[in-house]
Amino acid sequence: DTAVSQTPKYLVTQMGNDKSIKCEQNLGHDTMYWYKQDSKKFLKIMFSYNNKELIINETVPNRFSPKSPDKAHLNLHINSLELGDSAVYFCASSQRAPPVSTEAFFGQGTRLTVV
Amino acid sequence: GENVEQHPSTLSVQEGDSAVIKCTYSDSASNYFPWYKQELGKRPQLIIDIRSNVGEKKDQRIAVTLNKTAKHFSLHITETQPEDSAVYFCAASSPTGYSTLTFGKGTMLLVSP
Repeated sequence: DTAVSQTPKYLVTQMGNDKSIKCEQNLGHDTMYWYKQDSKKFLKIMFSYNNKELIINETVPNRFSPKSPDKAHLNLHINSLELGDSAVYFCASSQRAPPVSTEAFFGQGTRLTVV
Repeated sequence: GENVEQHPSTLSVQEGDSAVIKCTYSDSASNYFPWYKQELGKRPQLIIDIRSNVGEKKDQRIAVTLNKTAKHFSLHITETQPEDSAVYFCAASSPTGYSTLTFGKGTMLLVSP
């Protein structure tokens, strides 16, 4: 009954490969996010989807492509992986109720290592 | 967009002492300020939050204060315990930013027995 689940938990791959990370939430939230946490622990927003529509796309290389088949899922596909992509990627979800913001729930993270 | 500054980056205290972590934000429209705790190898988890219509909130040993005029908010942990050791993140959310959380850079808190 995990609220936000992402797979895989660990991903080791070679430079140049293409990989995907999957995320699912069962909280009924309408907004999902991808955050990147680098080696210095900084949590940086990459993408935000509301009801399957992209609402935020920060300065992220276009090798990163999010896909939301429905509002319970937000997957992240990465093409042509580079060493600098190594990080922990967190999926999160929340319920938008403007003007009131709500708590974001995080998945367990995917540690991506590019070798 | 929103910018959140967090200080200090590391904080070492003795068990039983108090710890204070401070954050400032830039977007005056921000109205939600959560604090997350991230233990080593784990996901960030909410420990306390405050909304812009409240100046202070307490939950047992933790409290958060908000000064909207100065655009800063703080986390206070009293009677610290070794299990409080973790990275703490402040965040701010603004309706003008689609309510997405912008995080500070984190504070690594180490509580020594």
